[in-house]
Formats: sequence, structure tokens, C-alpha cells
Amino acid sequence: EVQLVETGGGLIQPGGSLRLSCAASGLTVSSNHMTWVRQAPGKGLEWVSLIHSGGNTFYADSVKGRFTISRDDSKNTVYLQMNSLRAEDTAVYYCARYSAFDVWGQGTMVTVSS
Amino acid sequence: DIVMTQTPLSSPVTLGQPASISCRSSQSLVHSDGNTYLSWLQQRPGQPPRLLIYKISNRFSGVPDRFSGSGAGTDFTLKISRVEAEDVGIYYCMQATQFPRTFGQGTKLEIK
Repeated sequence: EVQLVETGGGLIQPGGSLRLSCAASGLTVSSNHMTWVRQAPGKGLEWVSLIHSGGNTFYADSVKGRFTISRDDSKNTVYLQMNSLRAEDTAVYYCARYSAFDVWGQGTMVTVSS
Repeated sequence: DIVMTQTPLSSPVTLGQPASISCRSSQSLVHSDGNTYLSWLQQRPGQPPRLLIYKISNRFSGVPDRFSGSGAGTDFTLKISRVEAEDVGIYYCMQATQFPRTFGQGTKLEIK
């Protein structure tokens, strides 16, 4: 069974940092384009970041310069390092397979608040 | 970025009756390879999104045949032939023709 499991969310103060993890099973992250999508409370879906199978990375303008996507092939895991967090980054963060958005994790909640 | 606009934003439906959701893109979704990469996602309450339809009209694995997609160019429609209780949730259209992927605002399907 193909599965993505996100961890690392929590409550963090503005200006703080968090690292989200997305552990994959049943698919190889290095062979797939993997992405992060977020959903603010009561709001729609917003694409955040992408890592190509070849390693190229891409970001939404709203997070560029603050967030970094990476992966560890030995752990079959994708990461999202989030720095300089703002209240507007509060959301559920989902990991997904980018090619078709056919595989999604359950999400991890990030709350940025003092 | 391509802007995706859905109508209506809320759709109260009687069980067993049909439902329809429209999605319009700010530019054509026909890719240079000839395909049109328009998908529909369903998000049930408290759940992550789930792929229903891809490339306008192709049902993803396990999706009931009461769901169907149609359209071309910039105008697309998701239809549910007979709404069931498990269909309650928010439906999003998404374009995968141009980077970055963009989503519609979502349409909330609820039972009358």
C-alpha cells in the first residue's frame, strides 16, 4: 500500500522554525516529484513547494526564501524546513505526489501564534 | 499563475438527486502535448483531499461511476448522477497544465 505520513507540526511562535517530515512507503521519493500543499483553517488548498525527482526545487512566492524542501533518499523521506514563520503560515500541511496528486498524506497542523 | 474559479461555492442537494459543479480557468488548459490536465479532488470532513478525476474525465481507481467529468479548453464540469451521504465534502478543481498547480476555491456539497 502506498502511504505518506507527515510529522513535525505543532505550535510555534512567530519568527520561529519547524521542520516537517513526510515518510513514504510503497513509493520511492527519489523516483517521484514530491510536493507540499497547505490548507489554512477553513480555507482552500495552496501549493507550497516541489522537489523534482532530479532534485530541482521550487517554491510559492509566499514562502520563497523562508522555506526549504529537501529529501533523504536513504530514509525515503521528504522534508520542509520552515523558518521565519508568520501567523499566515498557520495551516495543515500535506505531502503529496506531484505528478497526479493521487497520493496524499493525512497532514500535520502548524500553528504560528504567540 | 492560472486562476481557477468554481461555481457554485455551496451546493445543497437532496439525497439521490444529481449535483453539478463548474470550474473555469483563466486560460486554456490544453497542454502542448495535446492533453488537458484538469483534475477534480474531493475532501471529506476531517480528511485529506482525494483524487477523483484526472484529464477532464478519467475516473481514478476506486471512484464510483456516479462521478463524471466533462469540458474542454477553459470550462469544465463535475457531475454526480445521484448524490449519496458519503459525497458530502468540498470539491476542488485543479489544473496541472502549467506550473505551479493551482486550485479552485472549493465547492461545499451538503445534503438538504
